[in-house]
Amino acid sequence: AQSVAQPEDQVNVAEGNPLTVKCTYSVSGNPYLFWYVQYPNRGLQFLLKYITGDNLVKGSYGFEAEFNKSQTSFPLKKPSALVSDSALYFCAVRDRTNAGKSTFGDGTTLTVKP
Amino acid sequence: SQTIHQWPATLVQPVGSPLSLECTVEGTSNPNLYWYRQAAGRGLQLLFYSIGIDQISSEVPQNLSASRPQDRQFILSSKKLLLSDSGFYLCAWMVNSGANVLTFGAGSRLTVL
Repeated sequence: AQSVAQPEDQVNVAEGNPLTVKCTYSVSGNPYLFWYVQYPNRGLQFLLKYITGDNLVKGSYGFEAEFNKSQTSFPLKKPSALVSDSALYFCAVRDRTNAGKSTFGDGTTLTVKP
Repeated sequence: SQTIHQWPATLVQPVGSPLSLECTVEGTSNPNLYWYRQAAGRGLQLLFYSIGIDQISSEVPQNLSASRPQDRQFILSSKKLLLSDSGFYLCAWMVNSGANVLTFGAGSRLTVL
């Protein structure tokens, strides 16, 4: 079985400050890890993914995430937040042996205040 | 390029009425197809996934069913809607291999009254 935990329902940061959205995962094998973003009343959009290799993954809009195998974590980060980053963020995991089924966390609402 | 279309965008239905949500993908062949439900703007629950025509797996027992009559068409149905079926339904597709990502449709918001 695979699972994802996003312990924060809400993250608030001031514009220009760094942001971190937490994610921990559980899989029986080696994971593929993903971050998606959702704007109100829209579908999810892909931000970045970890496959293998360098633990620091860079994605769209200046976001990055760091894979930590020992802590089974994959937090989303950005050095300087923008008001337009305000949205709902989802972490997802997929076991490499799984038949393409991804498991999503419950999501974290990021609010960036000017 | 590949595109995914999902309709209708919004739907208000009475309890006990039937449901049909449709999803089509263009620009690819033999995609994996998925139906997710998002309740109250939070987490996604996988309802059905399909790796090919007439190959559909149900993830949770429920009042819904799915069909894939063509390679790039995925339909979510119900014979009799319940109040608890209200939610935001998302169709998604993915190339069937490796670390490929899900591409989501714009979603269908269903309100059952």
